[in-house]
Amino acid sequence: AQTVTQSQPEMSVQEAETVTLSCTYDTSENNYYLFWYKQPPSRQMILVIRQEAYKQQNATENRFSVNFQKAAKSFSLKISDSQLGDTAMYFCAFMKRIGPGGSNYKLTFGKGTLLTVNP
Amino acid sequence: GAGVSQSPSNKVTEKGKDVELRCDPISGHTALYWYRQSLGQGLEFLIYFQGNSAPDKSGLPSDRFSAERTGGSVSTLTIQRTQQEDSAVYLCASSLHTSGELFFGEGSRLTVL
Repeated sequence: AQTVTQSQPEMSVQEAETVTLSCTYDTSENNYYLFWYKQPPSRQMILVIRQEAYKQQNATENRFSVNFQKAAKSFSLKISDSQLGDTAMYFCAFMKRIGPGGSNYKLTFGKGTLLTVNP
Repeated sequence: GAGVSQSPSNKVTEKGKDVELRCDPISGHTALYWYRQSLGQGLEFLIYFQGNSAPDKSGLPSDRFSAERTGGSVSTLTIQRTQQEDSAVYLCASSLHTSGELFFGEGSRLTVL
């Protein structure tokens, strides 16, 4: 079974600074997807960034980037120039295809990291 | 609709009552997921629907929990004989088969007194 571990239950950062959230996972699969989702106080989860395991290049989305270390099974999220609106719960997630022909998906989430951006 | 819609937003019920939670996914999305999020916890997988395939019910915590998806669209999660430990936010998400990205609703907060 896949497990996703986020070792930092809570973190804080000053506005405009950079912060890195860690995530490790355990799998024997070679092909899979990794995601970071953000859940602000409004409760709705939104996708921050995704990474396909077969891609060596780290994904980036504006101020958000990942450091994907496949051999180490590590997938950390870096937030640059932190903004107050980045305050949220961040979840790391692992997805693999399962079932006949890989037609279904199995998605496993970590327990989350609560990030607070201070003014 | 523009996004995943869930109702009710909040539900308070008494122990022992049955509740139904509804999820209206994004039109055209073939996959639908239910997750449970307890206070301070991550997301616990409950059930997954994909097209016309048999649902993956492996995450349902007990036989008091059931879900159905009618016509490949709207889904209803039913909890029978609710107990206090069922109190949580129930999140629904949908996705296109090929993208993998999940789009979440705002959740239904269930409080069992």
